[in-house]
Amino acid sequence: KQEVTQIPAALSVPEGENLVLNCSFTDSAIYNLQWFRQDPGKGLTSLLLIQSSQREQTSGRLNASLDKSSGRSTLYIAASQPGDSATYLCAAPNGNTGKLIFGQGTTLQVKP
Amino acid sequence: GAVVSQHPSWVICKSGTSVKIECRSLDFQATTMFWYRQFPKQSLMLMATSNEGSKATYEQGVEKDKFLINHASLTLSTLTVTSAHPEDSSFYICSASIGTVDTQYFGPGTRLTVL
Repeated sequence: KQEVTQIPAALSVPEGENLVLNCSFTDSAIYNLQWFRQDPGKGLTSLLLIQSSQREQTSGRLNASLDKSSGRSTLYIAASQPGDSATYLCAAPNGNTGKLIFGQGTTLQVKP
Repeated sequence: GAVVSQHPSWVICKSGTSVKIECRSLDFQATTMFWYRQFPKQSLMLMATSNEGSKATYEQGVEKDKFLINHASLTLSTLTVTSAHPEDSSFYICSASIGTVDTQYFGPGTRLTVL
């Protein structure tokens, strides 16, 4: 059964810093991996989806990488801004069931 | 494109009553819909998977008689929390996909508070 772990659980950085969020998964036979953002009390915003055949995806200041062999994905945020403060979740599918297994999330605070 | 809505966005009810939450795919046909639950300061946990026209498949530990799921059309799935109790208070989020292993598009969530 797929298990997803995210570290760190919380992160506080000054504005402008580049940062990396980590996600690891136990079953490397995934067909994709997704990163989401969740603001307090709100739903999920999909940030990036990486297909299994891809190594990375970029959207603006965000770059997500995928290394299936090591069971890891990273989300790189460049030039962080206070508006980036949120909880970031990664999710990997459990086999070919379509079921997504979510990590516990990394709560990011970017201080002005 | 690929918009999923949920209704209501929040609901407060008395203990013992039933609450229905709707999940709609607005601009695509969703063969599969998923229902997740998120308790405060925790991550999302899958409750059940529903395929249009079939009975839902529930995850271990989720009571199917308490959480009734109906997926009668390709654009609508409903989750009914029967005889709700305070411990059912949570954030319920649905997602919809064209096929079982296709990209899931998430709804905005429904916050349920049971008094």
